[in-house]
Amino acid sequence: AQKITQTQPGMFVQEKEAVTLDCTYDTSDPSYGLFWYKQPSSGEMIFLIYQGSYDQQNATEGRYSLNFQKARKSANLVISASQLGDSAMYFCAMREASGGSNYKLTFGKGTLLTVNP
Amino acid sequence: ETGVTQTPRHLVMGMTNKKSLKCEQHLGHNAMYWYKQSAKKPLELMFVYSLEERVENNSVPSRFSPECPNSSHLFLHLHTLQPEDSALYLCASSQDSQWAGELFFGEGSRLTVL
Repeated sequence: AQKITQTQPGMFVQEKEAVTLDCTYDTSDPSYGLFWYKQPSSGEMIFLIYQGSYDQQNATEGRYSLNFQKARKSANLVISASQLGDSAMYFCAMREASGGSNYKLTFGKGTLLTVNP
Repeated sequence: ETGVTQTPRHLVMGMTNKKSLKCEQHLGHNAMYWYKQSAKKPLELMFVYSLEERVENNSVPSRFSPECPNSSHLFLHLHTLQPEDSALYLCASSQDSQWAGELFFGEGSRLTVL
């Protein structure tokens, strides 16, 4: 079963509007972390935002915020005031234990966001 | 210099060739990773090195051979690859493998196997 599910293969948004990218996850570990990464056409994965499973408040980083709904196991990314440079693939990822004291990130399939002028 | 540098950026090789991908990080991190990114599939973790010791090998075929001579350099040696191995190979680093949270990625090496 998929650990990270991103149901939107592609999304379109008008410049200056807000957009929500969906992410649901599956884990039985009470301690986990959720991440969003951006991958522009250059290929580099860029870290955007992190939410810990015990964090009481939703994470925010500039125009990015994470809508964390623990009971629903969802961690949606909200981008406010979209810019043309936001056009990219967006990946949701979950940190989980991989044996011993090591952890690994498991990624979703991604959502391709296109910002229209 | 950028944090994580990968070379070459593009590589085309035949199935009988032997080539290597190189990754270098300038962040003082102790853990390095190889990920494979194929079209329409999630990123797949291939190998994890912590302080130059391999701590994870995710059932990767032996035609992929990693090497970590020091905490700043990571190689992926390739031999007798198959066309389905064509993908973007991403290197990443983190402070240590016990966190593996905020990974810093390179721009990737796009491999085409003919």
